[in-house]
Amino acid sequence: QSVLTQPPSVSGAPGQRVTISCTGSSSNIGAGYDVHWYQQLPGTAPKLLIYGNSNRPSGVPDRFSGSKSGTSASLAITGLQAEDEADYYCQSYDSSLSAHVVFGGGTKLTVL
Amino acid sequence: QVQLVQSGAEVKKPGASVKVSCKASGYTFTSYYMHWVRQAPGQGLEWMGIINPSGGSTSYAQKFQGRVTMTRDTSTSTVYMELSSLRSEDTAVYYCARGVGAKAVVRFDPWGQGTLVTVSS
Repeated sequence: QSVLTQPPSVSGAPGQRVTISCTGSSSNIGAGYDVHWYQQLPGTAPKLLIYGNSNRPSGVPDRFSGSKSGTSASLAITGLQAEDEADYYCQSYDSSLSAHVVFGGGTKLTVL
Repeated sequence: QVQLVQSGAEVKKPGASVKVSCKASGYTFTSYYMHWVRQAPGQGLEWMGIINPSGGSTSYAQKFQGRVTMTRDTSTSTVYMELSSLRSEDTAVYYCARGVGAKAVVRFDPWGQGTLVTVSS
């Protein structure tokens, strides 16, 4: 069981908008710690997609956006494209665990 | 550009140890902490620990305490992760990842390409 909870899968047709949720608790997201998102294309290493809840690294299209509220965060992808098909992970910090870095279980995005 | 290049795949027998390397380039090696994260087949990401390349101090997830050792060689800008007493459940891809930002806001960018460690008799 991951400390951060994500839906196992989401799907959408090309051009549509999808959102992926990441639910935590009062010791991580709810405590105000930043949430970061990673994209993992098949057979490759994760890549930073969103940092500090809503910031995009250079080179990441503005179709990707992040938000945070309370004990949850969300990743939104608009104008869905075939190349967006990947696994997405959220990550944050947890003050109550020895392994302070925590990840969500990952969400598989399927582009129909 | 910032790059992390890891050593190649390993096959080990149960009870053995494995040592994975991660060579950094494109930035000042001692200015960023390095983390290790693993991913079992078809599973999610699991944080293992962190090393400060400057002083060599480490911190490990409780799950791996006593079995993992992280070291660094500043002369070659390389960090190492050694995992001992291997069991089948340790079969995974092991990633090094540069930590950016302070402890409570750390993000990982970039990641190494990953090293597959297979534990099988």
